[in-house]
Amino acid sequence: DADVTQTPRNRITKTGKRIMLECSQTKGHDRMYWYRQDPGLGLRLIYYSFDVKDINKGEISDGYSVSRQAQAKFSLSLESAIPNQTALYFCATSDPGQGYGELFFGEGSRLTVL
Amino acid sequence: RKEVEQDPGPFNVPEGATVAFNCTYSNSASQSFFWYRQDCRKEPKLLMSVYSSGNEDGRFTAQLNRASQYISLLIRDSKLSDSATYLCVVNRGSGGSYIPTFGRGTSLIVHP
Repeated sequence: DADVTQTPRNRITKTGKRIMLECSQTKGHDRMYWYRQDPGLGLRLIYYSFDVKDINKGEISDGYSVSRQAQAKFSLSLESAIPNQTALYFCATSDPGQGYGELFFGEGSRLTVL
Repeated sequence: RKEVEQDPGPFNVPEGATVAFNCTYSNSASQSFFWYRQDCRKEPKLLMSVYSSGNEDGRFTAQLNRASQYISLLIRDSKLSDSATYLCVVNRGSGGSYIPTFGRGTSLIVHP
Protein backbone atom coordinates (compact mmCIF):
# COMPACT_ATOMS: atom_id res chain seq x y z
CA ASP A 1 0.00 0.00 0.00
CA ALA A 2 1.08 3.56 -0.69
CA ASP A 3 2.48 5.57 2.22
CA VAL A 4 0.52 8.66 1.14
CA THR A 5 -2.96 8.03 -0.24
CA GLN A 6 -5.21 10.54 -1.96
CA THR A 7 -8.90 10.16 -2.69
CA PRO A 8 -10.54 10.58 -5.08
CA ARG A 9 -7.96 10.06 -7.82
CA ASN A 10 -10.22 11.65 -10.41
CA ARG A 11 -13.28 13.85 -10.05
CA ILE A 12 -15.42 15.78 -12.49
CA THR A 13 -17.77 18.30 -10.96
CA LYS A 14 -19.79 21.36 -11.83
CA THR A 15 -19.26 24.99 -11.00
CA GLY A 16 -20.56 25.86 -7.53
CA LYS A 17 -20.30 22.36 -6.07
CA ARG A 18 -18.43 21.62 -2.86
CA ILE A 19 -15.55 19.24 -3.26
CA MET A 20 -13.29 17.59 -0.69
CA LEU A 21 -9.99 15.95 -1.50
CA GLU A 22 -8.65 13.68 1.19
CA CYS A 23 -5.13 12.69 2.07
CA SER A 24 -3.97 10.08 4.54
CA GLN A 25 -0.46 8.93 5.38
CA THR A 26 1.15 6.05 7.21
CA LYS A 27 4.63 7.58 7.40
CA GLY A 28 4.08 9.12 10.84
CA HIS A 29 5.13 12.55 9.57
CA ASP A 30 3.90 15.69 11.31
CA ARG A 31 4.17 17.90 8.25
CA MET A 32 1.64 17.75 5.45
CA TYR A 33 1.13 19.90 2.38
CA TRP A 34 -1.34 20.46 -0.42
CA TYR A 35 0.02 21.54 -3.81
CA ARG A 36 -1.68 22.34 -7.06
CA GLN A 37 -0.08 21.72 -10.46
CA ASP A 38 -1.07 23.43 -13.69
CA PRO A 39 0.71 22.89 -17.01
CA GLY A 40 3.85 25.01 -17.20
CA LEU A 41 3.48 26.37 -13.67
CA GLY A 42 5.11 23.70 -11.54
CA LEU A 43 3.69 22.91 -8.11
CA ARG A 44 2.27 25.76 -6.09
CA LEU A 45 1.58 25.52 -2.38
CA ILE A 46 -2.04 25.90 -1.27
CA TYR A 47 -1.89 25.10 2.46
CA TYR A 48 0.51 23.39 4.82
CA SER A 49 0.40 22.04 8.34
CA PHE A 50 3.35 21.44 10.63
CA ASP A 51 1.28 19.49 13.16
CA VAL A 52 -2.34 18.82 14.06
CA LYS A 53 -2.83 22.24 15.65
CA ASP A 54 -1.01 24.20 12.98
CA ILE A 55 -2.51 25.33 9.65
CA ASN A 56 -0.87 27.86 7.34
CA LYS A 57 -1.79 29.45 4.04
CA GLY A 58 0.46 28.93 1.07
CA GLU A 59 0.86 31.15 -1.96
CA ILE A 60 -2.53 30.33 -3.55
CA SER A 61 -4.98 29.64 -0.69
CA ASP A 62 -7.91 31.76 -1.96
CA GLY A 63 -10.94 29.58 -2.70
CA TYR A 64 -9.61 26.67 -0.64
CA SER A 65 -9.80 25.54 2.97
CA VAL A 66 -8.20 22.65 4.84
CA SER A 67 -8.76 20.48 7.86
CA ARG A 68 -6.12 18.50 9.76
CA GLN A 69 -8.26 15.88 11.43
CA ALA A 70 -5.36 13.86 12.82
CA GLN A 71 -1.65 13.50 12.32
CA ALA A 72 -2.39 11.10 9.49
CA LYS A 73 -5.16 13.05 7.71
CA PHE A 74 -5.21 16.37 5.88
CA SER A 75 -8.21 17.32 3.74
CA LEU A 76 -8.53 20.06 1.14
CA SER A 77 -11.94 21.59 0.41
CA LEU A 78 -13.24 23.72 -2.40
CA GLU A 79 -16.38 25.31 -0.98
CA SER A 80 -17.70 26.45 -4.34
CA ALA A 81 -15.67 25.05 -7.20
CA ILE A 82 -14.91 27.19 -10.24
CA PRO A 83 -13.44 26.16 -13.62
CA ASN A 84 -10.03 27.71 -12.97
CA GLN A 85 -9.61 25.27 -10.08
CA THR A 86 -9.32 22.51 -12.66
CA ALA A 87 -5.87 21.10 -11.92
CA LEU A 88 -3.85 18.18 -10.58
CA TYR A 89 -3.65 18.28 -6.80
CA PHE A 90 -0.91 16.63 -4.78
CA CYS A 91 -0.67 15.93 -1.08
CA ALA A 92 2.78 15.51 0.42
CA THR A 93 4.41 14.85 3.77
CA SER A 94 7.84 15.50 5.23
CA ASP A 95 9.78 15.01 8.42
CA PRO A 96 12.59 17.48 9.16
CA GLY A 97 14.20 14.90 11.42
CA GLN A 98 14.68 12.47 8.56
CA GLY A 99 17.21 13.03 5.81
CA TYR A 100 17.17 16.55 4.51
CA GLY A 101 13.41 17.03 4.75
CA GLU A 102 12.46 15.62 1.39
CA LEU A 103 8.80 15.36 0.38
CA PHE A 104 6.80 12.17 -0.06
CA PHE A 105 3.86 12.50 -2.43
CA GLY A 106 0.51 10.91 -2.98
CA GLU A 107 -0.38 9.86 -6.51
CA GLY A 108 -2.42 12.99 -7.15
CA SER A 109 -6.08 13.92 -7.53
CA ARG A 110 -7.17 15.14 -10.92
CA LEU A 111 -10.05 17.60 -10.60
CA THR A 112 -12.09 18.95 -13.49
CA VAL A 113 -14.62 21.71 -12.85
CA LEU A 114 -17.10 22.21 -15.67
CA ARG B 1 10.86 37.48 -9.32
CA LYS B 2 9.84 33.90 -8.66
CA GLU B 3 11.63 32.39 -5.66
CA VAL B 4 12.87 29.35 -7.53
CA GLU B 5 13.54 29.65 -11.25
CA GLN B 6 14.27 27.06 -13.90
CA ASP B 7 14.54 27.14 -17.66
CA PRO B 8 11.41 25.24 -18.77
CA GLY B 9 13.10 23.88 -21.91
CA PRO B 10 12.38 21.52 -23.51
CA PHE B 11 15.90 20.24 -23.77
CA ASN B 12 15.90 17.88 -26.73
CA VAL B 13 19.03 15.70 -26.78
CA PRO B 14 20.16 12.47 -28.45
CA GLU B 15 20.84 9.31 -26.50
CA GLY B 16 24.28 9.34 -24.97
CA ALA B 17 24.46 13.12 -24.66
CA THR B 18 25.38 15.02 -21.53
CA VAL B 19 22.86 17.62 -20.44
CA ALA B 20 22.87 20.11 -17.58
CA PHE B 21 20.10 22.03 -15.88
CA ASN B 22 20.41 25.00 -13.56
CA CYS B 23 18.05 26.32 -10.93
CA THR B 24 18.37 29.66 -9.17
CA TYR B 25 16.82 30.62 -5.85
CA SER B 26 16.30 34.03 -4.34
CA ASN B 27 16.16 33.36 -0.58
CA SER B 28 19.66 33.19 0.86
CA ALA B 29 18.24 31.54 4.01
CA SER B 30 17.33 28.45 2.02
CA GLN B 31 18.47 25.35 3.80
CA SER B 32 18.27 22.28 1.67
CA PHE B 33 17.89 21.50 -1.98
CA PHE B 34 16.56 18.68 -4.10
CA TRP B 35 16.00 17.49 -7.61
CA TYR B 36 12.78 15.59 -8.27
CA ARG B 37 11.78 13.76 -11.40
CA GLN B 38 8.21 13.86 -12.65
CA ASP B 39 6.84 11.68 -15.39
CA CYS B 40 3.81 12.90 -17.28
CA ARG B 41 0.95 13.68 -14.86
CA LYS B 42 2.39 11.46 -12.13
CA GLU B 43 3.64 12.39 -8.70
CA PRO B 44 7.15 13.83 -8.36
CA LYS B 45 9.75 11.41 -7.07
CA LEU B 46 12.99 12.32 -5.36
CA LEU B 47 15.97 12.02 -7.69
CA MET B 48 18.69 13.49 -5.48
CA SER B 49 19.23 15.65 -2.46
CA VAL B 50 21.90 18.27 -3.17
CA TYR B 51 24.71 18.44 -0.64
CA SER B 52 26.94 21.43 -0.05
CA SER B 53 29.98 19.55 -1.31
CA GLY B 54 28.15 18.25 -4.38
CA ASN B 55 27.15 14.66 -4.89
CA GLU B 56 26.96 12.02 -7.55
CA ASP B 57 24.66 9.07 -8.08
CA GLY B 58 25.60 7.02 -11.11
CA ARG B 59 25.07 9.18 -14.19
CA PHE B 60 23.65 12.07 -12.17
CA THR B 61 25.69 14.81 -10.49
CA ALA B 62 24.26 17.63 -8.40
CA GLN B 63 26.08 20.77 -7.35
CA LEU B 64 25.23 23.64 -5.02
CA ASN B 65 26.67 27.13 -5.29
CA ARG B 66 25.49 29.12 -2.27
CA ALA B 67 27.42 32.25 -3.21
CA SER B 68 25.61 32.53 -6.54
CA GLN B 69 22.42 30.90 -5.22
CA TYR B 70 21.99 28.14 -7.74
CA ILE B 71 21.96 24.39 -7.95
CA SER B 72 22.68 22.28 -10.98
CA LEU B 73 21.96 18.79 -12.25
CA LEU B 74 24.20 17.05 -14.78
CA ILE B 75 23.04 13.93 -16.57
CA ARG B 76 25.69 11.96 -18.43
CA ASP B 77 25.10 9.32 -21.10
CA SER B 78 21.40 10.20 -21.43
CA LYS B 79 18.94 7.34 -21.84
CA LEU B 80 15.52 7.38 -23.48
CA SER B 81 14.11 6.64 -20.03
CA ASP B 82 15.54 9.92 -18.70
CA SER B 83 12.83 11.78 -20.62
CA ALA B 84 10.80 13.54 -17.93
CA THR B 85 10.37 16.87 -16.18
CA TYR B 86 13.02 17.71 -13.59
CA LEU B 87 11.83 19.83 -10.68
CA CYS B 88 14.12 21.89 -8.50
CA VAL B 89 12.93 22.16 -4.89
CA VAL B 90 14.31 24.52 -2.28
CA ASN B 91 13.47 24.33 1.40
CA ARG B 92 13.38 28.04 2.17
CA GLY B 93 13.29 29.40 5.69
CA SER B 94 15.24 29.05 8.90
CA GLY B 95 15.51 26.43 11.60
CA GLY B 96 12.81 23.80 11.33
CA SER B 97 10.28 26.15 9.75
CA TYR B 98 11.19 25.59 6.13
CA ILE B 99 8.74 25.65 3.26
CA PRO B 100 9.40 23.42 0.24
CA THR B 101 9.22 25.64 -2.84
CA PHE B 102 9.22 24.35 -6.41
CA GLY B 103 10.57 25.67 -9.63
CA ARG B 104 8.39 25.28 -12.70
CA GLY B 105 10.38 22.32 -13.93
CA THR B 106 12.66 21.63 -16.89
CA SER B 107 11.46 19.27 -19.58
CA LEU B 108 13.98 16.79 -20.99
CA ILE B 109 13.35 14.80 -24.15
CA VAL B 110 15.93 12.17 -25.07
CA HIS B 111 15.56 10.89 -28.63
CA PRO B 112 17.14 7.91 -30.39
